[in-house]
This record gives sequence, structure tokens and C-alpha cells, in this order.
Amino acid sequence: DAMVIQNPRYQVTQFGKPVTLSCSQTLNHNVMYWYQQKSSQAPKLLFHYYDKDFNNEADTPDNFQSRRPNTSFCFLDIRSPGLGDAAMYLCATSRDGRGGIDEQFFGPGTRLTVL
Amino acid sequence: KNQVEQSPQSLIILEGKNCTLQCNYTVSPFSNLRWYKQDTGRGPVSLTIMTFSENTKSNGRYTATLDADTKQSSLHITASQLSDSASYICVVSFGGGFKTIFGAGTRLFVKA
Repeated sequence: DAMVIQNPRYQVTQFGKPVTLSCSQTLNHNVMYWYQQKSSQAPKLLFHYYDKDFNNEADTPDNFQSRRPNTSFCFLDIRSPGLGDAAMYLCATSRDGRGGIDEQFFGPGTRLTVL
Repeated sequence: KNQVEQSPQSLIILEGKNCTLQCNYTVSPFSNLRWYKQDTGRGPVSLTIMTFSENTKSNGRYTATLDADTKQSSLHITASQLSDSASYICVVSFGGGFKTIFGAGTRLFVKA
């Protein structure tokens, strides 16, 4: 009963070579989030989609882009990965995203290595 | 400034013992507070979620408390097991919307 699925679980790319990470959900949630988590640090929100509306965090580098072609799928594109982009990338979903109680469900993450 | 601070940064306990993790926050307006468990190399898994009006919530051996007046929360783990070894992250949502702040987490090690 996988709910938030991320592929691949491990991704190795070369410095400067574009890479795409994938997230899919079976929960039919309106909101999908992408987080970057570096070792021993809290997850950092990069951006989120409320349905088709894209919301970028102010400090997310332009190097990071996202696409959400439909409700179930969301992609994270890193146009020119640098060594500093090596991290765990977490996808999360929530039903609505607003109001007093709206739980985020996380995927298992994709560990990105940049050589 | 909106902040979430967790303590201790790390904790080592013996299997079978209890422990309490702390989370202090300064956000406004408060929406909800969540505790997540994150195993190494995995995504966070929700343990509890509490709104302003709730001051305690349990999930098995995990009990979270919330004091909205002092802006403090704690996560109490009873009769710890080796599988409890993980990072425990406090997440506070505010602003009535998508704004959330993650604490840095407490790394718990349970030893046999």
C-alpha cells in the first residue's frame, strides 16, 4: 500500500549533468512538496504545488525546477547539479495544505550523489 | 523570528528505558505541531499531530504533549526498543497555510 513513491531511491550524476527525480502518490492529495535534506539537518522546503499552482520558496536556487503534469506525479529537475546539491530529496503530499490540521505524508526519499 | 528548537541534539539510552524529547517554538499564528520519526536514509513518518486545543496525544508508546501558552511540546517514549533509534523531528505549521518550520531533530540511540 505504497502511498508516496519516489524513484529512483539512489541517483548518481556527474557535476553539471541534468538529473530528474520522480515522485508519485496514490493518495489523490492536492498538495505536493519537494524538500532537500542534507546530512544531520532538517528538511528544507524547495517548493510546492497546490494542484497546478507552483509556489517557489524565496531562497530556492534557479537551478532547481519542478513539474507536475497531473495530480499523481511531480518531478524535481536539477539543471546543473553541483557538489553542494548532493543530498536526500524528499517528496511529500498533503490533502489540502491549509487549515489547522493537514498532515504531510513523506516518500522514502532519493539520495543524490554528485561526482 | 519564527523558530523551532529541539533538545537535546542527541540522546543515548538503554533499551527498556523511557525518554523525553523537547521542542520549543516561536511562531505565530500557530496552526499545528507534528512529531515525525525519521530512520536513517528514509523519509519521515508521522507520529502525532496536535492543534492549539489539544494538549496530549498518544500513538502506542509515543505520547506527545503541547503547551500552547509556553509554546513547548514534548515527545515521551515509553519502554524504548532498539527500533526506536532514529531522528525525531518537531514540525510546526503556522500562518494558517503552507508555512512550516522543521526543527533540527533529536538523534536517539537505543542501546541493548
